[in-house]
Amino acid sequence: GQNIDQPTEMTATEGAIVQINCTYQTSGFNGLFWYQQHAGEAPTFLSYNVLDGLEEKGRFSSFLSRSKGYSYLLLKELQMKDSASYLCAVRGYDYKLSFGAGTTVTVRA
Amino acid sequence: NAGVTQTPKFRVLKTGQSMTLLCAQDMNHEYMYWYRQDPGMGLRLIHYSVGEGTTAKGEVPDGYNVSRLKKQNFLLGLESAAPSQTSVYFCASSYARRGRASGANVLTFGAGSRLTVL
Repeated sequence: GQNIDQPTEMTATEGAIVQINCTYQTSGFNGLFWYQQHAGEAPTFLSYNVLDGLEEKGRFSSFLSRSKGYSYLLLKELQMKDSASYLCAVRGYDYKLSFGAGTTVTVRA
Repeated sequence: NAGVTQTPKFRVLKTGQSMTLLCAQDMNHEYMYWYRQDPGMGLRLIHYSVGEGTTAKGEVPDGYNVSRLKKQNFLLGLESAAPSQTSVYFCASSYARRGRASGANVLTFGAGSRLTVL
């Protein structure tokens, strides 16, 4: 199975940077995903890492270290619309996705 | 370009009643999933299907049944609803690429169905 941990809540100021950490323990690893979920809406895909290193996509970046079972999502130049829950998810060898409980990010003016 | 459509969006049931949630996708995805989302617990996989006519249990299957009679549809049934099944249910679908071709195999989610069992 999968054990995925991420902080429950984070607060940051508009224009700042926030880093959301995710640690995982898995019986098999086949990729790590980050999803964004606004209140009352469906999760939407943000990023995917399967090899060690940093993946950058605009204001969002995601990092993976497989040996440490660790990933982070970096949100730069925060905007009010970035207030949402961010879900870390790990895909095992069975190709099923297991999700962490999510980190609620609140962006303040 | 509908993506994944779930019906109904909201439903209130009494304990012991039955109901079916319908999920339909128009992306020709092979895999389909039902998750439930509860506060502080994240998304938990109930059942999933890797193709028409096949289903498998996920992490929390008890109290639910599923069917995948057509590739585009995945039904989630509650035969005798319990208050513990009060939750938001999400359907998702993805391609079935594996190995080097799997890439992200990103899940596309429906908008969710909020179920309350009294």
